[in-house]
Amino acid sequence: GDSVTQMEGPVTLSEEAFLTINCTYTATGYPSLFWYVQYPGEGLQLLLKATKADDKGSNKGFEATYRKETTSFHLEKGSVQVSDSAVYFCALRGGAQKLVFGQGTRLTINP
Amino acid sequence: GAGVSQSPSNKVTEKGKDVELRCDPISGHTALYWYRQSLGQGLEFLIYFQGNSAPDKSGLPSDRFSAERTGGSVSTLTIQRTQQEDSAVYLCASSLRGGATDTQYFGPGTRLTVL
Repeated sequence: GDSVTQMEGPVTLSEEAFLTINCTYTATGYPSLFWYVQYPGEGLQLLLKATKADDKGSNKGFEATYRKETTSFHLEKGSVQVSDSAVYFCALRGGAQKLVFGQGTRLTINP
Repeated sequence: GAGVSQSPSNKVTEKGKDVELRCDPISGHTALYWYRQSLGQGLEFLIYFQGNSAPDKSGLPSDRFSAERTGGSVSTLTIQRTQQEDSAVYLCASSLRGGATDTQYFGPGTRLTVL
């Protein structure tokens, strides 16, 4: 079945560092890909998405490119802030309507 | 505008009791989903409703779990004879039409603790 594997955490960085959180997937067909974020004490929020190969999703300085050849959707940000501290989830949506999530990566940014 | 709302925000119950969790989706959204977030299993799909179609129940972990959606809007997730392994955060989400590219918007969740 469909699955998502993402970089294990926790990840700790200093402010203004470059961030990459790796995400790879296994799916039949051509899924849509998503990154969701869960800030402390808050619910899941969509961060960005891409619905076809080579699409780039972007939001709040974060980017991820749908790479069909490597079945990847890595999340990147050039300069992280303390306010980016959260848990990040990579997810896919294939033929079924449900979202399939990775295990989540906890990110902590130190000032 | 109003997002997805869930109630209660926290529920503590004793093993063996039944519980009901409520979800109010975003107005006009035809698709509604329930997920469960637990330490051991991560985020898991439970059930999906789309309009008047039969729900996709493929994620329900046992027959103690059931859900209904009345009038195409509010949904209730019921867990009968709760067990300690049912302790988790139960998340509801809705989307406009349920299409593959539609964004699912999540509620704040109900934290269930079974003693």
